[in-house]
Amino acid sequence: DVKVTQSSRYLVKRTGEKVFLECVQDMDHENMFWYRQDPGLGLRLIYFSYDVKMKEKGDIPEGYSVSREKKERFSLILESASTNQTSMYLCASSLKTGGLETQYFGPGTRLLVL
Amino acid sequence: AQKITQTQPGMFVQEKEAVTLDCTYDTSDPSYGLFWYKQPSSGEMIFLIYQGSYDQQNATEGRYSLNFQKARKSANLVISASQLGDSAMYFCAMRGYTGGFKTIFGAGTRLFVKA
Repeated sequence: DVKVTQSSRYLVKRTGEKVFLECVQDMDHENMFWYRQDPGLGLRLIYFSYDVKMKEKGDIPEGYSVSREKKERFSLILESASTNQTSMYLCASSLKTGGLETQYFGPGTRLLVL
Repeated sequence: AQKITQTQPGMFVQEKEAVTLDCTYDTSDPSYGLFWYKQPSSGEMIFLIYQGSYDQQNATEGRYSLNFQKARKSANLVISASQLGDSAMYFCAMRGYTGGFKTIFGAGTRLFVKA
């Protein structure tokens, strides 16, 4: 079974703090993704990575950065957290095959920025 | 541009009955994949079923089936014999070849199964 884990299930931070969200997958997947989920908006892609040290902006990258130093780990960084970044953050991974491969998700991190 | 529309914010179904969750999509891609995910209150997204645009038959996985109508650009999820554990949020998603690795998601439908 594919396993995607995220470092925290719940996180509370103050405005202006630097926040690290960690994601680890154990299935040797090439592709990794960070989404945020907000009510009524579904999931929106923040960043994705298709290889170590490679990253691509998704649909809403502003205010975020990412790091992929190892294949199994993909980190999302909020350089200076703001209240509008309060959200559910979901990490996913997938194989790099024909392009229509299934993504497998972690349990999510609920971030509250005060 | 690609788009996924789920028009039902919430649905109720009686235990043991079947329910259909609607999903329509828009894409100019000739080849694409359609996915359904379930998200229980715990937050984890669980993959349910996949349908390729060139698949001749509708996908089925246990109690889940996908009613794929390509000409109408719809990919409705049918859950047969609903169980209390089916109460969750359900998301329809799509990926096209020209979209690269990007998957787009609908806003979701919350399903409530009544005992």
